[in-house]
Amino acid sequence: GENVEQHPSTLSVQEGDSAVIKCTYSDSASNYFPWYKQELGKGPQLIIDIRSNVGEKKDQRIAVTLNKTAKHFSLHITETQPEDSAVYFCAARGIAGNMLTFGGGTRLMVKP
Amino acid sequence: NAGVTQTPKFRILKIGQSMTLQCAQDMNHNYMYWYRQDPGMGLKLIYYSVGAGITDKGEVPNGYNVSRSTTEDFPLRLELAAPSQTSVYFCASSKDRRTSTDTQYFGPGTRLTVL
Repeated sequence: GENVEQHPSTLSVQEGDSAVIKCTYSDSASNYFPWYKQELGKGPQLIIDIRSNVGEKKDQRIAVTLNKTAKHFSLHITETQPEDSAVYFCAARGIAGNMLTFGGGTRLMVKP
Repeated sequence: NAGVTQTPKFRILKIGQSMTLQCAQDMNHNYMYWYRQDPGMGLKLIYYSVGAGITDKGEVPNGYNVSRSTTEDFPLRLELAAPSQTSVYFCASSKDRRTSTDTQYFGPGTRLTVL
């Protein structure tokens, strides 16, 4: 089955700096890659996603890039703010059903 | 819309007890999922359903059962609670798997401790 690895597990940045989180996946047939943000005590919330027919997608301060050849995708957050502090999860979906395989998560801390 | 709701928020069980975690969604979604999240780990799929009357196992189904008698509800049953089932349980739903309607929406979670 699919295997998703996520790095780093923790990331501390100064407010205003950029943050990058990277994920690799194993199943070359995977075609959908969402990113979720989980705040303390809450369920994960989708912040951005990318599909295999696109190399990059942006939404304001957040961008995601996908390299299908290398089987990795990354989340980029620019001009970080304290409210960006949370745990971020990447995920990948194979061709069967709508089942997501999640990475282990990255705890992002933005210091004011 | 309330989205995905889960009850209870917290529960402590003794080893061998049973309980049902409730999940409901009011978005008329066909697909529903149960995940568990262990401390410092990602989410692992326990069971999922693609519609009323249809369920299937995910990555970690042992010790759990599910049913899907209506579109709205997807309860998760623990028959003989074990300490290894201490975790946070999340229910999620999506319309289907087509582009633009495949986003999974998560509930707030149930924190379960088995002592």
